[in-house]
Amino acid sequence: EVQLVESGGGVVQPGGSLKLSCAASGFIFSGSTLHWVRQTSGKGLEWIGRIRNTINNYATTYDASLEGRFTISRDDSKNTTYLQMSSLKTEDTAVYYCATRQLTTYGMDVWGQGTTVTVSS
Amino acid sequence: QSVLTQPPSVSAAPGQKVTISCSGSSSNIGDHFVSWYQHLPGTAPKLLIYANDKRPSGIPDRFSASKSGTSATLGITGLQAGDEVDYYCETWDSSLSAVVFGGGTKLTVL
Repeated sequence: EVQLVESGGGVVQPGGSLKLSCAASGFIFSGSTLHWVRQTSGKGLEWIGRIRNTINNYATTYDASLEGRFTISRDDSKNTTYLQMSSLKTEDTAVYYCATRQLTTYGMDVWGQGTTVTVSS
Repeated sequence: QSVLTQPPSVSAAPGQKVTISCSGSSSNIGDHFVSWYQHLPGTAPKLLIYANDKRPSGIPDRFSASKSGTSATLGITGLQAGDEVDYYCETWDSSLSAVVFGGGTKLTVL
């Protein structure tokens, strides 16, 4: 079964850092591009960024408003992608999802169940 | 303010049809494929449509979509109570070099 499972969410103080993980199974992880998307409270889906595969030199792209505070990485030996978040703000409180594309030519057809991050003092 | 503009809400009676619009520009919808997602907050989003008008395996033909110029439209027929969730359009934006989502549309089945 193709699956993504996020972990690492929790409560963190403003200005703090947190690293989320997304473990993959059921597909060839090393060949896949992985995305991170979040849904903030009361708002819609917001794309955070993506990391491409080894053929594309693990290139990363981010939403301009988040670049510099958020960093995406991956470890193909562990079939895991990571989202390192720093200088967190209360508005970063959200459910964070990782997603990828496996069976379709466009879009993201595989999503994790999400992990909740709460930034609060 | 989302790059892609969707109506905040739409509504229709059970069994009826509803359409959800997604308006963009030449740097996003006008030049790239559009995808549509169904999302119940707190759960994993589901891909409904990819490449403008194609349904992934398992998505019923009650869901359809089209694209014209810098706008896209999602159509849902035979509305059911279970369709009462949020819907998002998504594409790539060449100017931003980023994936962009619409602001989302909440569907109410009256």
